[in-house]
Amino acid sequence: QVQLEQSGPEVKKPGASVTVSCTTSGYTFGSHNICWVRQAPGQGLEWVGWFSTSNGNTNHARRFEGRVTMTADTSTNTAYMKLMSLTSDDTAMYYCARDQGRYYDFWGQGTLVTVSS
Amino acid sequence: NVLTQSPATLSLLPGERASLSCRARQSVGTYLAWYQQKPGQAPKLLIYDASNRAAGIPDRFSGSGSGTDFTLTISSLEPEDFAVYYCQQRNNWPQTFGQGTKVEI
Repeated sequence: QVQLEQSGPEVKKPGASVTVSCTTSGYTFGSHNICWVRQAPGQGLEWVGWFSTSNGNTNHARRFEGRVTMTADTSTNTAYMKLMSLTSDDTAMYYCARDQGRYYDFWGQGTLVTVSS
Repeated sequence: NVLTQSPATLSLLPGERASLSCRARQSVGTYLAWYQQKPGQAPKLLIYDASNRAAGIPDRFSGSGSGTDFTLTISSLEPEDFAVYYCQQRNNWPQTFGQGTKVEI
């Protein structure tokens, strides 16, 4: 069965960087993009970006320009999202999800990133 | 492309019918999906391409609409259906989510 397993919670100081991992199983990693979505406490869903597992292309929302890097290790079927120059506004649950092109059909359990001095 | 969901909160009883609205500022064709999220859980895909139920989703959930107006209908609420529901469009960049509708008892 398809599964996406994310790394554990992180606590970071303002200005630091965080890397969240998403290890997939149950399907061919290169057949679907991986997207990243975040959710601030008590708020709605916000698209961060996507990573093409077939060619390494990426795309992200404008507000993350220059701050987000998405990569993958095809040998371990794992995708990564690195967010830099963290502020308290980046405190959120970060989700990875399998991209079917028009929707996301399987999601990771989420990784809580807390930014606090 | 802003998606506006209404109402923000829907207060209903088990067994009642729920109708949730999602309106797009620009046409999204039928590239609209609906997700359900329960507290402490990741979102779960319910409906894709406006009206197709995802695998394993009960037939009490149905989606309709095209262009700018969409509806998610739950024909008869079960206790496990009380949750927050989000719509999402992938037709225009950047993809966007609605702000959510909470269905509460």
